[in-house]
Amino acid sequence: EVQLVESGGDLVQPGESLRLSCAASGFPFSSYVMTWVRLPPGKGLEWVSTISHPGTSPYYADSVKGRFTISRDNFKNTLYLQMNTLRADDTAVYYCAKASSGYSGLFDYWGQGTLVTVSS
Amino acid sequence: IQMTQSPSTLSASVGDRVTITCRASQSISDLLAWYQQQPGKAPNLLIYKASSLESGVPSRFSGSGSGTEFTLTITGLQPDDFATYYCQQYNSYSWTFGQGTKVEIK
Repeated sequence: EVQLVESGGDLVQPGESLRLSCAASGFPFSSYVMTWVRLPPGKGLEWVSTISHPGTSPYYADSVKGRFTISRDNFKNTLYLQMNTLRADDTAVYYCAKASSGYSGLFDYWGQGTLVTVSS
Repeated sequence: IQMTQSPSTLSASVGDRVTITCRASQSISDLLAWYQQQPGKAPNLLIYKASSLESGVPSRFSGSGSGTEFTLTITGLQPDDFATYYCQQYNSYSWTFGQGTKVEIK
């Protein structure tokens, strides 16, 4: 059974940093593209970042480019999102998602999410 | 690529047939997915390639369209179907979602 479990969400002040983790199991993690998607309060889903299966090619939404870094450890079956210079509009539930076979942007499994709140 | 869903909110009753529309700002072929999200839960993939039903998803859900216009239809709305639905294009980076359609109980 595919499982994705996010952790690391917290209440932080503007300008601070946070690292999210997503522990994966039940599938060959190193073979799949992985993605972070967020859901801001009262708004819709927003794609944040995607990383290729070897971890060599990251992609970012314009809203986080230069502040967030996606990475993965294929030995630990874990996806990460390092978030720096956090802003109030980064407040959201952050989900990790597994891409389907063949389509990097189609997400067939999702974690339950971790809440990041940026507020002074 | 911008994705625009309509309506934003839809009120319906159990047993109704409902249709949600999604428009892309440019052609995305058939690389469109639909997700359902219940409050406090993770999104769930319903439809991919515009009209293919994900394994385990009830057959009352169906999708159609190609190019720039797409629809999600629920035939015979069930209590579990009251949720928010999102379309998403996966034709090209950056992947984009519609703003969501909340299906409420009338």
